[in-house]
Amino acid sequence: SQTIHQWPATLVQPVGSPLSLECTVEGTSNPNLYWYRQAAGRGLQLLFYSVGIGQISSEVPQNLSASRPQDRQFILSSKKLLLSDSGFYLCAWSVGGARGEKLFFGSGTQLSVL
Amino acid sequence: GQNIDQPTEMTATEGAIVQINCTYQTSGFNGLFWYQQHAGEAPTFLSYNVLDGLEEKGRFSSFLSRSKGYSYLLLKELQMKDSASYLCAVTDSWGKLQFGAGTQVVVTP
Repeated sequence: SQTIHQWPATLVQPVGSPLSLECTVEGTSNPNLYWYRQAAGRGLQLLFYSVGIGQISSEVPQNLSASRPQDRQFILSSKKLLLSDSGFYLCAWSVGGARGEKLFFGSGTQLSVL
Repeated sequence: GQNIDQPTEMTATEGAIVQINCTYQTSGFNGLFWYQQHAGEAPTFLSYNVLDGLEEKGRFSSFLSRSKGYSYLLLKELQMKDSASYLCAVTDSWGKLQFGAGTQVVVTP
């Protein structure tokens, strides 16, 4: 069966520090991968999605970046965190190729930038 | 882009029925999803509608009208554990899910 792992679960970082959040998927090949962010009391905002290794699409301009070094690994990074980067970050995957596919979410990372 | 609107909060008593409405505006449509999200947790899938009509799954039902850009999620026989945020999400023409802000449902004894 397919599983998705996301870590860490919680993270407290000072403003200006770097960030690296990692997500891995098991039990499936060539998944579509996504990074979402959810601010407190808000909906999910799509940040990045990837349809394959090295293929990253950015949805919103920001100081975050994403990379996909392996088929089932998706990394969210920042060189210098801002206060506004605080939020709940969710990695998700879906089966590749089809439109309207269901998303499966990781357990999320609660990031607090102080 | 997408405009997805749903109420911010709804309150209902245990055993009652609650209907959460969602309206959307999109230049491309490939389906509508409802997700449930408990505080501090990841969303979990509830339902998917791509054709007009009602989809029933136990205590939860979801309805879609594509011509009206409208959907609702119906929760019957409410239980305390149903207290959560319910997210409406629309698949755009690129196949990506865009989410509404969510409706917080509070179930009272």
